[in-house]
Amino acid sequence: SQKIEQNSEALNIQEGKTATLTCNYTNYSPAYLQWYRQDPGRGPVFLLLIRENEKEKRKERLKVTFDTTLKQSLFHITASQPADSATYLCAPLSNTGKLIFGQGTTLQVKP
Amino acid sequence: GAGVSQSPSNKVTEKGKDVELRCDPISGHTALYWYRQSLGQGLEFLIYFQGNSAPDKSGLPSDRFSAERTGGSVSTLTIQRTQQEDSAVYLCASSLDGTGVGETQYFGPGTRLLVL
Repeated sequence: SQKIEQNSEALNIQEGKTATLTCNYTNYSPAYLQWYRQDPGRGPVFLLLIRENEKEKRKERLKVTFDTTLKQSLFHITASQPADSATYLCAPLSNTGKLIFGQGTTLQVKP
Repeated sequence: GAGVSQSPSNKVTEKGKDVELRCDPISGHTALYWYRQSLGQGLEFLIYFQGNSAPDKSGLPSDRFSAERTGGSVSTLTIQRTQQEDSAVYLCASSLDGTGVGETQYFGPGTRLLVL
């Protein structure tokens, strides 16, 4: 079955450092992958989409990579700020055409 | 407001009762999704609407769960004879295009359901 794995342990980093979150998928090859941010008590908010033919995508301080050989996407936040603290969900497109969401990784940026 | 809205925001019910959860998608969005999120878990897909029809109901966990959408807009998720394991946050999302295939989804704030 199609499976998504994100690091379930919270990531704690110091303000100003780069945060790197990992998303691994198995048993399929998604045409694209989305990343969402979720704050406590709120619904997820779309951040970035990367297609299988794109190695890297950037948006302001965010960068996403997509390695179809490793079956992995990395999500980077440079110059992190306490306001970046949230849970980040990856969502590759499944073979049936719908997004499959990972469980998310919680990022805590300390001032 | 221009976003997806859901009601109620919180619902506490007794085991065995029926509940109805409502979702108002963004105006003009033809695709609508329901997800369930349990504490510390990822989003579990429940059902997808394209207009008023539901081409994908594969995620509904049992026949106690049903959903409908009317007028290509408002959707209602109904859980009959609720069980304690139904306690979760129920999230609704909508997307713009008729294909609804993997597009950017806009989420509502969710309904927090607690079954006692």
